[in-house]
Amino acid sequence: GIQVEQSPPDLILQEGANSTLRCNFSDSVNNLQWFHQNPWGQLINLFYIPSGTKQNGRLSATTVATERYSLLYISSSQTTDSGVYFCAVVSQGGSEKLVFGKGTKLTVNP
Amino acid sequence: NAGVTQTPKFQVLKTGQSMTLQCAQDMNHNSMYWYRQDPGMGLRLIYYSASEGTTDKGEVPNGYNVSRLNKREFSLRLESAAPSQTSVYFCACRLQGRGGRSGNTIYFGEGSWLTVV
Repeated sequence: GIQVEQSPPDLILQEGANSTLRCNFSDSVNNLQWFHQNPWGQLINLFYIPSGTKQNGRLSATTVATERYSLLYISSSQTTDSGVYFCAVVSQGGSEKLVFGKGTKLTVNP
Repeated sequence: NAGVTQTPKFQVLKTGQSMTLQCAQDMNHNSMYWYRQDPGMGLRLIYYSASEGTTDKGEVPNGYNVSRLNKREFSLRLESAAPSQTSVYFCACRLQGRGGRSGNTIYFGEGSWLTVV
């Protein structure tokens, strides 16, 4: 089945810094989403982005489907950005299987 | 609009006991999923269902059974709970297809914390 790898596994920033999180996947996808899991465990959808670029405030994401990777950019980070960021994909093979990477744990210090 | 509702939210079981986690969605979505989340392991897919009456194994199906009796509900059953099944369980749903953004967004329940002692 499709493999999803996220990097880095851990990231520590000072408030105000920028960061880039990466998601590599092993097969063509028809669905890719980025999620933020807050310290209370709630999973919040950030972007649906199987290809192209999207922006939402300080966050933006780019997926290069032909090269099988996606990037999540966080600019001017805030302490509320702390948590775990997950990438999840559905392969183009026809299965509805939705597979997650292991996540990037982000800590933003004041 | 409740979205995805999971019950119970917290449960403590003794080894060998059985229980069912319930999940219901009111968004008329086709696909439903059960995941477990353990520290440092991300979310691992247990079972999924692409439509009413169909189910498929995910990455870690052993020790679990599921049932998709109608479009709204997807239940996860532990027949004989083991301490290794202590985890947080998440249910999710998705519309399917290559429709608009809202149709392909994945919606999660708030999680069910299960401890097996």
